[in-house]
Amino acid sequence: AQSVTQLGSHVSVSEGALVLLRCNYSSSVPPYLFWYVQYPNQGLQLLLKYTTGATLVKGINGFEAEFKKSETSFHLTKPSAHMSDAAEYFCAVQYGGSGYALNFGKGTSLLVTP
Amino acid sequence: GAGVSQSPSNKVTEKGKDVELRCDPISGHTALYWYRQSLGQGLEFLIYFQGNSAPDKSGLPSDRFSAERTGGSVSTLTIQRTQQEDSAVYLCASNTGPGNIQYFGAGTRLSVL
Repeated sequence: AQSVTQLGSHVSVSEGALVLLRCNYSSSVPPYLFWYVQYPNQGLQLLLKYTTGATLVKGINGFEAEFKKSETSFHLTKPSAHMSDAAEYFCAVQYGGSGYALNFGKGTSLLVTP
Repeated sequence: GAGVSQSPSNKVTEKGKDVELRCDPISGHTALYWYRQSLGQGLEFLIYFQGNSAPDKSGLPSDRFSAERTGGSVSTLTIQRTQQEDSAVYLCASNTGPGNIQYFGAGTRLSVL
């Protein structure tokens, strides 16, 4: 079964500092991987996705993630945090069953301090 | 165009009552998914519809949960005899078919007292 693990349920960074949110996946086949963001009282918004090809994926709002097969990781980064980045971030893997439903990690809450 | 619309945004009910949650997918999207987001379990897949095919119900947690999709568009998730552990945010997503990006609604927050 495919699953994802997000290390750190809460991450705090200073405004302007590097953001690093960790995600490791477990999959017997090359996975499709996603990062979604959820702002308070809103639905999930896609930040970026990896399917095939280039392993460094660029998304919206300055975020990017690198697929590392050898480490089974798909960590999310942003060079400089903004206050508006404070939100819940979810890593997800897409599996072939159930119409390619998403299997989500537990989420990481990002706090950005002035 | 409009995104995925869910109603109501909030629902408070008493234990034992039935509730219906509605999802209106993006026009033209043939696939529709329901997920549940709860503090203890995170985000869980519940059920998947593709066009007029029989739904994949493999994620439904009990037989108190059911869903239907009329005319390949609007979907209703029904929870019968609600329990306190049903309290969660229920999210709906749609896309143009398996493997494509899923677009999420804002969710319905269900509170069972």
